[in-house]
Amino acid sequence: DTAVSQTPKYLVTQMGNDKSIKCEQNLGHDTMYWYKQDSKKFLKIMFSYNNKELIINETVPNRFSPKSPDKAHLNLHINSLELGDSAVYFCASSPLPYTPQHFGDGTRLSIL
Amino acid sequence: EDQVTQSPEALRLQEGESSSLNCSYTVSGLRGLFWYRQDPGKGPEFLFTLYSAGEEKEKERLKATLTKKESFLHITAPKPEDSATYLCAVQAQDNAGNMLTFGGGTRLMVKP
Repeated sequence: DTAVSQTPKYLVTQMGNDKSIKCEQNLGHDTMYWYKQDSKKFLKIMFSYNNKELIINETVPNRFSPKSPDKAHLNLHINSLELGDSAVYFCASSPLPYTPQHFGDGTRLSIL
Repeated sequence: EDQVTQSPEALRLQEGESSSLNCSYTVSGLRGLFWYRQDPGKGPEFLFTLYSAGEEKEKERLKATLTKKESFLHITAPKPEDSATYLCAVQAQDNAGNMLTFGGGTRLMVKP
């Protein structure tokens, strides 16, 4: 009955590689998000995606790109991984604007 | 720029010892203030939304209140299972993409 699910839970890879993280929600929500939680535990928004409209946090490098094959999925692609990309990445969704967001359990990305 | 500051960073309580967590915010017109609970290795779990100064919400041993500059999460007679990191987040009225700005969290430890 998982509402927002992410795969993989752990991802260990080398600098310079390209990787993807998948996110699926079975709540029927219209809006999905990606957040990054760094080593100091701060959660920072990366993207918001609603009905094919993408809003990007201006601080996010263009090596990061979200892709949505359908309303229930929002995957995160990362090119040319760097050491500073090591973090936990959370996917979230919400039914309507300004309603509470529901989070997945995160993907811990470690760059060697 | 929206800002959220939470204090204290960490709080140790004995079981039954009531206390409060603080969330100070600066936002260009508040749309909503959200409280989440995060357990280790898990995603944030939604607790409350507050929309206007003077509003209060309760759930079991937790009570959230809101003023024009800050929010408090009051914990009455906490139990060890209340141990977690509590996150506060704000959403601005002019926020395109429904993005949340999070504080750094308060790590609560309740000892039996």
